Amino acid sequence: DAKTTQPTSMDCAEGRAANLPCNHSTISGNEYVYWYRQIHSQGPQYIIHGLKNNETNEMASLIITEDRKSSTLILPHATLRDTAVYYCIVSAGNNRKLIWGLGTSLAVNP
Amino acid sequence: SAVISQKPSRDICQRGTSLTIQCQVDSQVTMMFWYRQQPGQSLTLIATANQGSEATYESGFVIDKFPISRPNLTFSTLTVSNMSPEDSSIYLCSATGTWMGEQFFGPGTRLTVL
Repeated sequence: DAKTTQPTSMDCAEGRAANLPCNHSTISGNEYVYWYRQIHSQGPQYIIHGLKNNETNEMASLIITEDRKSSTLILPHATLRDTAVYYCIVSAGNNRKLIWGLGTSLAVNP
Repeated sequence: SAVISQKPSRDICQRGTSLTIQCQVDSQVTMMFWYRQQPGQSLTLIATANQGSEATYESGFVIDKFPISRPNLTFSTLTVSNMSPEDSSIYLCSATGTWMGEQFFGPGTRLTVL
């Protein structure tokens, strides 16, 4: 599975958009980009995934570059409850195994 | 989606003892997994719990140390055997439906071994 690179930490003001980048330059054609988050003392929570096209759901938007070598998770109006570690994971479509890195620790500040 | 519960939520155990962690899902799921998350670290997959057969273990994890059961589609247990302080960690259960990439996680079991 392709490896991902994320910034260690980021800050965001409450109410503003949080844009979390992820590099996955060795991604293969059949690999999806997944985003999860883990709020302190909780289990991880699935956010969104995509293959080539941009995706949006009630939680976030996922923007994938045309060459698929990087992506950005967008939380359009961050709240204090969005403070968490955000994991970007690349994995083949139906692969049971997700390889977890250290993620980005996002702090949303009042 | 699936709601996953784990018991116990936390425990403090003595060296050399064993602890069994239970994972219950509120609906039938395809796959169930067990992860370990050591302090300040990311998640590491221990094994896939297979219904009615032996679990599939990842490199570095063995059945004698982490026996796993999955008697039906909604329940699994992980036992941490002959514990040492190095086993102090959070143990997480997860499950998927038909799409493997979308996993639902339990709240975790925080284990401290003295």
